[in-house]
Amino acid sequence: AQTVTQSQPEMSVQEAETVTLSCTYDTSESNYYLFWYKQPPSRQMILVIRQEAYKQQNATENRFSVNFQKAAKSFSLKISDSQLGDTAMYFCAFMKETSGSRLTFGEGTQLTVNP
Amino acid sequence: GAVVSQHPSRVICKSGTSVKIECRSLDFQATTMFWYRQFPKQSLMLMATSNEGSKATYEQGVEKDKFLINHASLTLSTLTVTSAHPEDSSFYICSADSHRDLSYEQYFGPGTRLTVT
Repeated sequence: AQTVTQSQPEMSVQEAETVTLSCTYDTSESNYYLFWYKQPPSRQMILVIRQEAYKQQNATENRFSVNFQKAAKSFSLKISDSQLGDTAMYFCAFMKETSGSRLTFGEGTQLTVNP
Repeated sequence: GAVVSQHPSRVICKSGTSVKIECRSLDFQATTMFWYRQFPKQSLMLMATSNEGSKATYEQGVEKDKFLINHASLTLSTLTVTSAHPEDSSFYICSADSHRDLSYEQYFGPGTRLTVT
C-alpha cells in the first residue's frame, strides 16, 4: 500500500516571501502521479500542480513549483511571492497509474500567509 | 469545464433519520466517482469508489449498509447516510474522474456539511 507523509502540520510565511512544503511517499510502483491540492477556508479542493513520475523535469505553474526527487521519494512544493490568498490547507496526494484514479492523501499542511 | 456540484451544501437531520447527498458532474460524464469524509483539520478519508452501473467498492472499515452509494448515471452519484447518528456528523466530499483526456485528475465537489442532532 502507498503512504504519503507531510511532516509539517502548520507553517507560516510573510507575504511576498517564499515557502516550501514537504512531502514524502512510499511506493513500490514505477508509474504514478503526484499532486498538490489546496483547500482554502471554503473547503473546495483545488488542484495546484501535478507531476508524472516518468517526467524528470519538475512541474511549474506560475508561482508554484515542485522539487521531485524520485529516488528519494520526495515531492516538495515551493510557493514563491506568497500571497494572502495562498492561506489554505495543502495536501500532497499520490495516484498509481493502475489505481483507476484513486488518490492517497497526506495529512495536510496548514499554511498561513501573514501580511 | 470539469465542474462538480454537490447538494445540499449543508444539512441538519435528527438522529435515526436518513439523508441523501447528491454529486453531479455538470459538463462531463463521470465514469468513476469517489466519496470522501473529512473531519475538522484532518485529511480526506476515502469512503468508497463508484462506477456507473455497478456496485460501489467500499474502503475497509466503511459500513456498506450505513453509507449507501448509487451511481445511476454518468453524471450523478448519491450517498445516503441511513439511520444517522451524531458520530456521522462530518464534511462529505465527492469527486469525479472523466477519463476523457487521460489526465488522471479528479474534480472535486464543494462538499456537504452534515450535522446530526
